[in-house]
Amino acid sequence: KAGVTQTPRYLIKTRGQQVTLSCSPISGHRSVSWYQQTPGQGLQFLFEYFSETQRNKGNFPGRFSGRQFSNSRSEMNVSTLELGDSALYLCASSLAQGSSYNEQFFGPGTRLTVL
Amino acid sequence: KQEVTQIPAALSVPEGENLVLNCSFTDSAIYNLQWFRQDPGKGLTSLLLIQSSQREQTSGRLNASLDKSSGRSTLYIAASQPGDSATYLCAVKVRENTGFQKLVFGTGTRLLVSP
Repeated sequence: KAGVTQTPRYLIKTRGQQVTLSCSPISGHRSVSWYQQTPGQGLQFLFEYFSETQRNKGNFPGRFSGRQFSNSRSEMNVSTLELGDSALYLCASSLAQGSSYNEQFFGPGTRLTVL
Repeated sequence: KQEVTQIPAALSVPEGENLVLNCSFTDSAIYNLQWFRQDPGKGLTSLLLIQSSQREQTSGRLNASLDKSSGRSTLYIAASQPGDSATYLCAVKVRENTGFQKLVFGTGTRLLVSP
């Protein structure tokens, strides 16, 4: 069974540009969550999608957005990039949203560098 | 607001030693606790998931315990090997005021096992 996949693995952008990251969950998983990981702040929750609807959102500015498609694949978009957006962006999938028994499985991440 | 702390931040041991990693959380109202391993520049690999009603979980040389009332979890690694070198993260699943759940991550323990 294939794991969570994320594309691209590496990205270099300049300030002011926008970027779209993609995540394909494990087959059969319907919940997708996104996290940002930086050396200073650690792992922080961005948002969660389930059945094409955003179910929860972390404390990030509106420049960070996402969506989920009917096949459960998800994309996140960051507009007007800032230097501080440089980070490893991780996607995680689980079977369903809202169950305490759900284990989250993570992808390899997308390393975004903003110059 | 839930806060998760991991001590020590870094640990260096010779091969073969048994070791304990600690995780503390401030709010005992959690659904579960998950231990992850992260290799440099990579995504997270789930090691163990402990439900809030459980006291411990075991997988191979790994044993994780949970004491929800005191807000503590420990990850015990037996007979450590150089391949165990990685950063270990714990995360608790909490319910927010919105009714939705999310993972709150600790700061991580960087482990180095020397041959």
